[in-house]
Amino acid sequence: EPEVTQTPSHQVTQMGQEVILRCVPISNHLYFYWYRQILGQKVEFLVSFYNNEISEKSEIFDDQFSVERPDGSNFTLKIRSTKLEDSAMYFCASGRTGSSYNEQFFGPGTRLTVL
Amino acid sequence: AQSVTQLDSHVSVSEGTPVLLRCNYSSSYSPSLFWYVQHPNKGLQLLLKYTSAATLVKGINGFEAEFKKSETSFHLTKPSAHMSDAAEYFCVVSESSGGYNKLIFGAGTRLAVHP
Repeated sequence: EPEVTQTPSHQVTQMGQEVILRCVPISNHLYFYWYRQILGQKVEFLVSFYNNEISEKSEIFDDQFSVERPDGSNFTLKIRSTKLEDSAMYFCASGRTGSSYNEQFFGPGTRLTVL
Repeated sequence: AQSVTQLDSHVSVSEGTPVLLRCNYSSSYSPSLFWYVQHPNKGLQLLLKYTSAATLVKGINGFEAEFKKSETSFHLTKPSAHMSDAAEYFCVVSESSGGYNKLIFGAGTRLAVHP
């Protein structure tokens, strides 16, 4: 059964460093998402991406964040200059359509620790 | 804006007894609702979804949920808990705008199953 994969599973970085989190969505899906979950808090929407552009982003997704689909299979989240408060579990998701009736398929997550 | 409230942060049951995980939603129109489960070190897996068809929805692993508009509830149930059901469960509402949807998560309920 196809699944969303994410690498790395755990990333440790120093404050101020750039990180890139990688995701491989399900191959025939067209809509892509990033969510994050700070320890002890809710899973929060960060950004949705369709047709090579951002379709919606939350207020969390400021200028330090960017997303890219560089090669038609990977979907990346870049944090330019990490802060302590960026420490969280980051989930990638993909969906066949953008309809609210269709579920999103999630990857296992990348745990980002900023020291 | 739509939201979901999971009424219990922790639920503990004995193996073989019924499971009830409670969820209330807030939505200005007919929502799409989902239950996702997260086992340790795994991604978020869809259990079931409600998308305005039958109000009683059956999912995987014997779980089901009933959409009750009058009570704005979407509680998750299972007649007989199994040890493998121990996990974190998320009630989720889909918010759609401009053809793209994002998921709004509840805070999660951690289910413990005792022998």
